[in-house]
Parts: sequence; C-alpha cells; structure tokens
Amino acid sequence: AQSVTQPDIHITVSEGASLELRCNYSYGATPYLFWYVQSPGQGLQLLLKYFSGDTLVQGIKGFEAEFKRSQSSFNLRKPSVHWSDAAEYFCAWGGGADGLTFGKGTHLIIQP
Amino acid sequence: NAGVTQTPKFQVLKTGQSMTLQCAQDMNHNSMYWYRQDPGMGLRLIYYSASEGTTDKGEVPNGYNVSRLNKREFSLRLESAAPSQTSVYFCASRSGTSVNNEQFFGPGTRLTVL
Repeated sequence: AQSVTQPDIHITVSEGASLELRCNYSYGATPYLFWYVQSPGQGLQLLLKYFSGDTLVQGIKGFEAEFKRSQSSFNLRKPSVHWSDAAEYFCAWGGGADGLTFGKGTHLIIQP
Repeated sequence: NAGVTQTPKFQVLKTGQSMTLQCAQDMNHNSMYWYRQDPGMGLRLIYYSASEGTTDKGEVPNGYNVSRLNKREFSLRLESAAPSQTSVYFCASRSGTSVNNEQFFGPGTRLTVL
C-alpha cells in the first residue's frame, strides 16, 4: 500500500528564515501529491498540488514544492517565513475518488 | 458558497452512546469522505462515497457506519461510542470530474468519549 512519510514531527524556524518541509512517498506509479496546511482549530487548506509536468509547483501564500521522482520526494519550501505560517503541514498522496493517504504531519513553530 | 459544513462542532459522549455527525457540501461535488485525526497520526480515512448511492470502507472503518443521504449530505454514525473514538472528525468533498481535483475540507467535529 502507498505510504507518505514526513520525517520531521516538529520544526522551529526563525521569522524571515527559509523553510523546507520534507515529504517522501512510496508508490511506483505516477503520484498525485498534495500539501495541506492546518491552522490551530481549523480545517485543512490546500497549499499546492502536483500531478504531472513541471516538477516545481507554485502554491498559495508563497509556498512552492519540488517533485523529485529519483528521491521519491515532494518537499515544501518557502524562502522567508512569517509568524502566520505557524501551523501543521500535511503531505498527502492520492488521486481519483478513493481518498487521500496523509503523512503524520509536521508542526511548524516560528521564532520571533 | 459555504463549502463543506459539519455539525456539531463539539460533542461529548459517554461510552456506549450513539450519535451521528452531519456533513453537507454545496459545491455539487460527487465524492465525499470522512477522516479522523489523532495526535501524531495525521488523517486517516474512515469511509468514502465516490458518488451518490455508493459507499466504501477506508483505512479505519470499524465502529462506524455512513449514509450518503443525497448528493449534498454524507453522515457518519457511531452506534456505540468507545473512548478510542475520541478524535477530531473531518468531512471532505471532491468534484470527481477529473483525476486531479483537490479535496475540500470542513472545519471538523471534536468528539470526546468518556
């Protein structure tokens, strides 16, 4: 079965610094990959998605992610984080009607 | 558009009680989903409905039942609640017209079973 791994449970970054959140997937076929963000007490909001084509995808709020098939990775990046980026971030795999497989999430803490 | 709505927002049950979580979407989506979120576990799929009139089990269906009442509504029922079902429950929907459609999530229901 497909799985999604987010190796970092918590990450602390200083405001204004760059950010990279890691995501690895295990599935042989063309993956459909997503990054969602969850602010405290809220639902999930889609940041970006990858299906095919250009391996660098742009999302909302200044986020981008790069798909690397050779590394089975889909890492999320932002060049300069803001305090409002503090949240839980989920990488997910899936396509079609039968639901998403989520990683366990990375909790992002922003230091002033 | 309200998107995906869920009721109630919070609920406390005693072990053995039953309840139904309600979900509705106004985006004319074909597919709907129920997930549970537990600390350190991410979201796990309980049940889904690919289209009106169909339902299928997800990763963690035990102890739950679902009903796709119509295209808009998809409910989740706990017949005899257990403390292990303490969780945050999210409903989601997806257009289903293309393989790359995203899922849209509701705000969640926080359930505590004592």
